[in-house]
Formats: sequence, C-alpha cells, structure tokens
Amino acid sequence: GDSVTQMEGPVTLSEEAFLTINCTYTATGYPSLFWYVQYPGEGLQLLLKATKADDKGSNKGFEATYRKETTSFHLEKGSVQVSDSAVYFCALRTPSYGKLTFGQGTILTVHP
Amino acid sequence: DSGVTQTPKHLITATGQRVTLRCSPRSGDLSVYWYQQSLDQGLQFLIQYYNGEERAKGNILERFSAQQFPDLHSELNLSSLELGDSALYFCASSVGDSANTEAFFGQGTRLTVV
Repeated sequence: GDSVTQMEGPVTLSEEAFLTINCTYTATGYPSLFWYVQYPGEGLQLLLKATKADDKGSNKGFEATYRKETTSFHLEKGSVQVSDSAVYFCALRTPSYGKLTFGQGTILTVHP
Repeated sequence: DSGVTQTPKHLITATGQRVTLRCSPRSGDLSVYWYQQSLDQGLQFLIQYYNGEERAKGNILERFSAQQFPDLHSELNLSSLELGDSALYFCASSVGDSANTEAFFGQGTRLTVV
C-alpha cells in the first residue's frame, strides 16, 4: 500500500539556520505530494504541493521538489525563523483515492 | 480559517460511552474525510464520504461509524469508548477527490476518554 516516511525528529535549529526535512514515499501510480504544517493547538494547513515529477512547490520560503527517480519530496528552507516552529507532515494522494496518506510528522523547534 | 468547522473542540467522556463529532465542510466541497491523530499512531485515515456516499474506508474500528447528510455536513460516531480512543479527530474537505485538489482541515476535536 501507499506509505510516506519522514526523517526522525525532533529537529532543533537556531534562527537563520538551513532546514531540510527528508521525505520519501511508496505509492502505486503517480501521486501528488504535499507538505502540511500544524502549529500548536491548530489544524493542518497546506504548506506546498507538487502534482507531477520535477515540479517544485514553494510557499513562505519553503521549497520541495518532486523527485520521481528517488521517490522523494524533501522540504527545505534557507533561513528558518522562530515562527516556523511547528510539526511538519509530508503526505501523498493517489489518483485512485482522494485520501491523504501522511508521514509520522517532524517536530521543528527554532530558537532565537 | 480553513472554512471547515468542527464541533465540539474538546470532549471529555467516560469509558463505555458514545459520542458524536460533527464536521461542516467548506462551502461547495463534496468530499469529507475523517482522520485520527494520536501520539503512537500518527495521522490515520478513518473514512471518506463523497456527496453523501461512503467512498473509502481506512483504519476505522467497527465501534466507529460515520455518515454524510444531504446538506453535506458529516458526523463521526464513536461508541463503547476505550481509553485508547483518546485522540485528536480531524475532519477535512475538498471539492472532489482527485489527487491534485487541496484538502482543507478543521481545527479538530480533542477527545479524552477517562
């Protein structure tokens, strides 16, 4: 079945550091890929998405590129801020079903 | 604000009881999804409805059931509650269920079973 694997957390960084959160997937067909963010006490918000191979999703300084050859969708940001502290979820959605399959989530804490 | 409304925000109940969680999707969205988020299991897909009909089932226990009404709101019924059912329950909605449409999440209902 479909699955998503994220790097183990938590991740702790200083402000302005570079961020990478790894995400790899297994899916039948050609999934769309997503990163969602969950701030404390809130629901999930879509951060960015990519719907086909080599697409780059970007939003609020975050980027991720859909790599079909390595089945990966790593999240990156060049300079993190304290306000980026949250839980980040990688997810996929296949054409056959509308449901999202999520990774286990990565807790990011950014210190001033 | 995602436009998806879940009520109640918090629920505390005893083992063996039954509760109903409610979700109002964004205006115009036909698909509703239910997810359970717990510390040990992460985010698990429970069930999906599309325009009133069940479309897909995930790891939903037999003690749990859901439905989507003609006005497209959905309810998740949890019965014979156990301590392990304590979790955050999310509802999401989307216009359709194609792979590249965005799903919008509500803020969740935190269920505590004591």
